[in-house]
Amino acid sequence: GAVVSQHPSRVICKSGTSVKIECRSLDFQATTMFWYRQFPKQSLMLMATSNEGSKATYEQGVEKDKFLINHASLTLSTLTVTSAHPEDSSFYICSARDVSKNTEAFFGQGTRLTVV
Amino acid sequence: DAKTTQPPSMDCAEGRAANLPCNHSTISGNEYVYWYRQIHSQGPQYIIHGLKNNETNEMASLIITEDRKSSTLILPHATLRDTAVYYCIVRVEEDTGRRALTFGSGTRLQVQP
Repeated sequence: GAVVSQHPSRVICKSGTSVKIECRSLDFQATTMFWYRQFPKQSLMLMATSNEGSKATYEQGVEKDKFLINHASLTLSTLTVTSAHPEDSSFYICSARDVSKNTEAFFGQGTRLTVV
Repeated sequence: DAKTTQPPSMDCAEGRAANLPCNHSTISGNEYVYWYRQIHSQGPQYIIHGLKNNETNEMASLIITEDRKSSTLILPHATLRDTAVYYCIVRVEEDTGRRALTFGSGTRLQVQP
């Protein structure tokens, strides 16, 4: 079945540094990928919609200059958390759907970001 | 997408059936009922979806009431590995892949040994 791979699964970084998270669709092409954030004991919140070859669409309250999204190919989207702060510590999850097969959405394994 | 209401938590004994309810009284005629689950520290996993007929797959069964205002996800023989947060999502099935899923609070199912 369709697989979405997310890397790294866990990262610790210092305040002020930037962290890049990759999301790959392994056996299908995804013109659209989605990035979510999840704080402890809370549900997933959509951050942005990543569109291949064009700018991402950000949800209200999500800073586009802080959370840089690049969707350079049909199988790869990246989320870069710039100038990370402790309050950015969270679980980041990507998702994509294989529209050619009209299947359900598939999710990456998630990335646990801890900013110290 | 229609709003859903789920109990915040449920317990189930290992080996017994787990029945997870979901209310979606404002569902529209072209909206499907989807179920996903999220095991701790993992991404969500698709379970099943349906429009109006009951559905069954290798993971679970989905029972949708005749008026479609509520549904029940049934895990026939729950195991400890089924401990997770279960999300009921109602949405129009679309073929462009450009609409994100919206997650509510879900039901935290704890399977007890």
